[in-house]
Amino acid sequence: DVQMTQSPSILSASVGDRVTITCRASQNINIWLAWYRQKPGEAPELLIFRASSLENGVPTRFSGSGSGTQFTLTITSLQPEDSATYYCQQYNNKWTFGQGTKVEI
Amino acid sequence: EVQVVESGGGLVQSGGSLRLSCVASGFTFNTHAMSWVRHIPGKGLEWLSAISRSGNTTYHSDSVKGRFTISRDNSRNTVFLQLNNVRAGDTARYYCAKSPLGVLGFFDHWGQGAQVTVSS
Repeated sequence: DVQMTQSPSILSASVGDRVTITCRASQNINIWLAWYRQKPGEAPELLIFRASSLENGVPTRFSGSGSGTQFTLTITSLQPEDSATYYCQQYNNKWTFGQGTKVEI
Repeated sequence: EVQVVESGGGLVQSGGSLRLSCVASGFTFNTHAMSWVRHIPGKGLEWLSAISRSGNTTYHSDSVKGRFTISRDNSRNTVFLQLNNVRAGDTARYYCAKSPLGVLGFFDHWGQGAQVTVSS
């Protein structure tokens, strides 16, 4: 099974900050990685797919990069509504989520 | 507008069974794979099961294989998750999620979820 490890687990930042979340896969998953944001009490929403493709309607302050085993999600100019938990998910070999990164503002 | 709406959650005794339903609208249901994912507070998201467009192919995670079964009825735009022999660790919010056209990989629309609580 492919294991996904995110860091940090918790991140504290201020409005307007640039933040980066890292996701590491236990084996090569090429570019088959997605990122989601889950606000408290809400369903997850897709932000990025294929490692770096922005989902329609998602603000351009979100971007993704990486391939193989190392990936990053970057949020430029953090907004109050970005207070949420972020998950990476691989889909190269079945489906596995990372444990999540909670972003506190 | 794409919508997926889960139902069937509730309180169930350990060892019991429950069937979750997910009704979809706003897209051509039989051209999209569907999945179930659960969220346990403090533990994160866990993919459980996926089913192909036709329903001929299903996948289950090792943690639920043999206990949970995914199925679909394309005539009713509905996907199901049958939960058997439930345990305390199955207490979670269960989400139905849609994959994009031609992809069985990531999830572009999610329902609001159905809460399942297992009591001992």
